Amino acid sequence: SQTIHQWPATLVQPVGSPLSLECTVEGTSNPNLYWYRQAAGRGLQLLFYSVGIGQISSEVPQNLSASRPQDRQFILSSKKLLLSDSGFYLCAWSEVKSAQYFGPGTRLTVL
Amino acid sequence: SQQGEEDPQALSIQEGENATMNCSYKTSINNLQWYRQNSGRGLVHLILIRSNEREKHSGRLRVTLDTSKKSSSLLITASRAADTASYFCATDAITAGNKLTFGGGTRVLVKP
Repeated sequence: SQTIHQWPATLVQPVGSPLSLECTVEGTSNPNLYWYRQAAGRGLQLLFYSVGIGQISSEVPQNLSASRPQDRQFILSSKKLLLSDSGFYLCAWSEVKSAQYFGPGTRLTVL
Repeated sequence: SQQGEEDPQALSIQEGENATMNCSYKTSINNLQWYRQNSGRGLVHLILIRSNEREKHSGRLRVTLDTSKKSSSLLITASRAADTASYFCATDAITAGNKLTFGGGTRVLVKP
């Protein structure tokens, strides 16, 4: 069966510091991968998605970036965090035109 | 409003009652999906209904889709305290490639 992992679970970072969140998927090959951000009490905002290694589509302009160095690894990064980057970050995977399956999320607080 | 807007935003019911929430969208879709999120957790996929389907069941969940009205409903029958969560609809728009667009969610509180 497929599983998706995200780490860390929680993170507190100062403004201006770098960020690296990691997501890995097991039990599937060539999945579509997604990064979402969720503000408190709100819906999900799609940040990036990838249909293959090295293929990244950005949905919103921001100081975040994403990379997919391996088939089942998706990384969300920032060189300098802003206060507005605080939120709940969710990674998800899917096969083409099917349901998405989410990781447990990372709670990021930027101080 | 955004693609995939839920109504109501919040719902409070007693255990054993039914809970109904609605989702409206704007563009043509391949499918519509419903997800549940417990507080501080990831989303859990509940049901996917394709554009050529009108109704789908999964346990105590019933989803309807009306493509002429661009709307969907999620019914939870005989609710339990464990059903307390936020529920999101997400649309897979025909022109959106591999992306889903999520609504703002309905927060459901089931009181014991």
